[in-house]
Amino acid sequence: DAKTTQPPSMDCAEGRAANLPCNHSTISGNEYVYWYRQIHSQGPQYIIHGLKNNETNEMASLIITEDRKSSTLILPHATLRDTAVYYCIVRAPTTDSWGKLQFGAGTQVVVTP
Amino acid sequence: AAGVIQSPRHLIKEKRETATLKCYPIPRHDTVYWYQQGPGQDPQFLISFYEKMQSDKGSIPDRFSAQQFSDYHSELNMSSLELGDSALYFCASSSQASLQETQYFGPGTRLLVL
Repeated sequence: DAKTTQPPSMDCAEGRAANLPCNHSTISGNEYVYWYRQIHSQGPQYIIHGLKNNETNEMASLIITEDRKSSTLILPHATLRDTAVYYCIVRAPTTDSWGKLQFGAGTQVVVTP
Repeated sequence: AAGVIQSPRHLIKEKRETATLKCYPIPRHDTVYWYQQGPGQDPQFLISFYEKMQSDKGSIPDRFSAQQFSDYHSELNMSSLELGDSALYFCASSSQASLQETQYFGPGTRLLVL
């Protein structure tokens, strides 16, 4: 069963903010929200993750709703190099470890000049 | 910063041949994950190792085996290759001691079976 739902595609103008939504309405209390992206055929790249507070790093910001049923990844100033498939993944620790990442159908983001 | 190293980057094999893919994790990472990404598909988990022991197993064919060595590098061995094994194979590494154990991926090995 899909744990997250993302739009299949989004266009964004270069220099503008890209807001990528993710729905995770069945998220459990101990599950974190992770974002990865994959630029064409390259290895997935870690972007950011969070539990319930908003998070920001040098790449992006993650806004998680108060009920944690959805989140938004924000790329503040999109560049052409941000064109990629973006994956929203929920993940929780198991007894021994954090375990695998389960990739669903992400969002293909195309940044245009 | 050092990243995950995978070798070879490209591999061409004939049907029924064998292949060995290697993964060198980020220094001080103790956990390795293998993922397979078929053409036009999303990455799918195959198998993982923590401290040289298999920690989890996904949809990995019986023809495939893997192990993690004392220096934490891992090898994925694939036998009796089939056309459908043509894919990108990614290795990711992490440290169980790190906060929420973020996985970092290598550049992948592109396997083509003819």
